[in-house]
Amino acid sequence: DTGVSQDPRHKITKRGQNVTFRCDPISEHNRLYWYRQTLGQGPEFLTYFQNEAQLEKSRLLSDRFSAERPKGSFSTLEIQRTEQGDSAMYLCASTPGDYGYTFGSGTRLTVV
Amino acid sequence: AQRVTQPEKLLSVFKGAPVELKCNYSYSGSPELFWYVQYSRQRLQLLLRHISRESIKGFTADLNKGETSFHLKKPFAQEEDSAMYYCALSRPGGYNKLIFGAGTRLAVHP
Repeated sequence: DTGVSQDPRHKITKRGQNVTFRCDPISEHNRLYWYRQTLGQGPEFLTYFQNEAQLEKSRLLSDRFSAERPKGSFSTLEIQRTEQGDSAMYLCASTPGDYGYTFGSGTRLTVV
Repeated sequence: AQRVTQPEKLLSVFKGAPVELKCNYSYSGSPELFWYVQYSRQRLQLLLRHISRESIKGFTADLNKGETSFHLKKPFAQEEDSAMYYCALSRPGGYNKLIFGAGTRLAVHP
């Protein structure tokens, strides 16, 4: 599969634990986006990278959230001290620069 | 504020009936507008975008700047059209984040 890969597909964690998600974009795509989707809502923008540079962060991205794309290839999204309100689907998307976003299947986080 | 509103959470129609999924937006300027679709157990994927003026799977969408709407239409619904549909906008010029509506579930019954 040459699409956008996200790992893990599902994560259940206890409140207060840290979690990290990974996204592998399509290799020639220089832009990578993270979105969060809660039940009954559309995806909400979190942050994006052009190559390794993080160019924009949403106000939704509290200081417990951090994202990296160290070599301009894969990206990680870490949530520290998880809260129940963090339970959501976390989506990654990449694009070469036109409007052709390719989305991953997402990581579903459940905080118990 | 930039916002996309999809007023219907669920649209239920019979096969062969016309379909119109509503989308209204709030944006100061001229945004780029898109429709994304998510079929059961599949990823979110682009259905169409207004700049290309394409018809995909029989769906069309017309941008009405006066009414700030971008409704998605299909004259004859098929069962395989059943899915979640999301309207989205972005700042023009490419490379930009998408702002999504809450989505409308289309259910096409036999």
